[in-house]
Amino acid sequence: AQKITQTQPGMFVQEKEAVTLDCTYDTSDPSYGLFWYKQPSSGEMIFLIYQGSYDQQNATEGRYSLNFQKARKSANLVISASQLGDSAMYFCAMRDGGAQKLVFGQGTRLTINP
Amino acid sequence: GAGVSQTPSNKVTEKGKYVELRCDPISGHTALYWYRQSLGQGPEFLIYFQGTGAADDSGLPNDRFFAVRPEGSVSTLKIQRTERGDSAVYLCASSLGITMGDTQYFGPGTRLTVL
Repeated sequence: AQKITQTQPGMFVQEKEAVTLDCTYDTSDPSYGLFWYKQPSSGEMIFLIYQGSYDQQNATEGRYSLNFQKARKSANLVISASQLGDSAMYFCAMRDGGAQKLVFGQGTRLTINP
Repeated sequence: GAGVSQTPSNKVTEKGKYVELRCDPISGHTALYWYRQSLGQGPEFLIYFQGTGAADDSGLPNDRFFAVRPEGSVSTLKIQRTERGDSAVYLCASSLGITMGDTQYFGPGTRLTVL
């Protein structure tokens, strides 16, 4: 069965620093996709970045990059030059090749301090 | 363009009542998903539609929950005989297709409170 683990319930970072949010996953399917979403206090889930299991390069989207280590089954999100507006809950999620549903982790609450 | 919309944004009901939650997906998106998010948790999958048919309803917790998408666009999640444990935020998402990289875009959610 699919499983996503986010071990950091909360992270506190100074503005302009880089931050890494951890995510490990478990699946027996060789084809899968990994997603990161941001959920501000307003509640809406905002898509950030996607990594496919067969992608050779780590995904990047602006200040977001995904540190994909397939052998370790980890898909950590890196946010460079953090901003106050980055304060939010961050969820890692996975789909495997056999299903359309996303399986989410418990989330990490990121707080950016000025 | 317009994102996923959900109505109502908030719904307060009494235990035992029937509720309907509506989702309007992004225009042209063929796949639609319902998730439920309890306080302090990540969203949990309920049901997924491809077109008009429910392709996977394995996440529906029991037979009090039902969802339809009669014309392949708008979907309604229906909950009968509501219980206090049904209180949560119900999130709807849609995607253009069903390939692995097709991103699911979420709506703002409906916060359901069962008194």
